[in-house]
Amino acid sequence: GAVVSQHPSWVICKSGTSVKIECRSLDFQATTMFWYRQFPKQSLMLMATSNEGSKATYEQGVEKDKFLINHASLTLSTLTVTSAHPEDSSFYICSATLLAGGFFTYNEQFFGPGTRLTVL
Amino acid sequence: ELKVEQNPLFLSMQEGKNYTIYCNYSTTSDRLYWYRQDPGKSLESLFVLLSNGAVKQEGRLMASLDTKARLSTLHITAAVHDLSATYFCAVDPLYSGATNKLIFGTGTLLAVQP
Repeated sequence: GAVVSQHPSWVICKSGTSVKIECRSLDFQATTMFWYRQFPKQSLMLMATSNEGSKATYEQGVEKDKFLINHASLTLSTLTVTSAHPEDSSFYICSATLLAGGFFTYNEQFFGPGTRLTVL
Repeated sequence: ELKVEQNPLFLSMQEGKNYTIYCNYSTTSDRLYWYRQDPGKSLESLFVLLSNGAVKQEGRLMASLDTKARLSTLHITAAVHDLSATYFCAVDPLYSGATNKLIFGTGTLLAVQP
């Protein structure tokens, strides 16, 4: 159980175009999804927290107009990189949490397989 | 600002040897996770440590948590080549609300040499 998928697994696009990445929880309902970015040989950096039915919360320094996040259902969140540039090339990883309820409830994040974006 | 630091950043060790990776964090937390990442892949969950003094073991890996010292360790016993990967710790800051954000450590690249 607790499987998270991402699509596509890799994408190459031209500079200036937009790219959409999907994150799906396959066998559970995820009230919260997270988007991370990872540059080569670096750690994961949290970009934003996405809650179903509400606006995403972006981390400091992440441009919300460039990285559009939509969490329209309990099983799907999308990240759209708008007007992509070569510096946006990175490995994008999503994760999903099943909220069991309660402020101090332990809620593990389940990670997707990642999407490698290359912008030419 | 919450910081999560791992030591060492790179570890080259021989098969059969023992070693420990350290994860220090700068804020109150009683939830710490260890992950493994192979090149080009996403994260594989290794351990979830939920309380002070928690110790978990799986095969040649053992993780522990000391919330008072804000320190977690990942101990490798009799390393084998298959353990070569990058290891991350991640901290869930207490009182982050219902968001359950994770702050990742810097990562430790482990290379086990025959």
